Amino acid sequence: GDSVTQMEGPVTLSEEAFLTINCTYTATGYPSLFWYVQYPGEGLQLLLKATKADDKGSNKGFEATYRKETTSFHLEKGSVQVSDSAVYFCALRSLNQGGKLIFGQGTELSVKP
Amino acid sequence: NAGVTQTPKFQVLKTGQSMTLQCAQDMNHEYMSWYRQDPGMGLRLIHYSVGAGITDQGEVPNGYNVSRSTTEDFPLRLLSAAPSQTSVYFCASSYSTSGGATYEQYFGPGTRLTVT
Repeated sequence: GDSVTQMEGPVTLSEEAFLTINCTYTATGYPSLFWYVQYPGEGLQLLLKATKADDKGSNKGFEATYRKETTSFHLEKGSVQVSDSAVYFCALRSLNQGGKLIFGQGTELSVKP
Repeated sequence: NAGVTQTPKFQVLKTGQSMTLQCAQDMNHEYMSWYRQDPGMGLRLIHYSVGAGITDQGEVPNGYNVSRSTTEDFPLRLLSAAPSQTSVYFCASSYSTSGGATYEQYFGPGTRLTVT
């Protein structure tokens, strides 16, 4: 079945460091791919998305490119801030079960000043 | 727009008790779903609905019931709570994906449930 694998956390970076969180997927067809962010004590918010191969999603300085060849959707940011500390979830929207989201296990990011 | 709202925010139950987690959305979304979030496991789908009167099971439906009598509301019922149901529960909604379109899912703030 469809699945998403994320790099394990927690990840601790200094402010202004470069961030990469790896995400790979297994799926039938070409599902839409998402990154969601969860700040402490809150629900999930959509960070960015890509709906087809070679699409690049971007938002708030974060980017991810839909790579069909490597079945990957890695999240990157050039210079992280303390306010980026959160849990990041990679997800795909399945073609089954009404379009359910299938999530990776989440990667906790902590940015130190 | 309030978006997706959930009540309560926190709940403690004893084993065997029943309760209903409430979820409502005011965006006229056809698709609504319930997920549970457990450490190291991401979010897993419990039940979903593609419209009023239509519900179906997700990956982990055992011990939970849902109904969808209106477009706005999608309550989740725990029939007889067990410690394994200790988790954070999220409700989400979106426009339908029929026709191949992809729409963002909007999440509620979550209900943190502890079963002792």
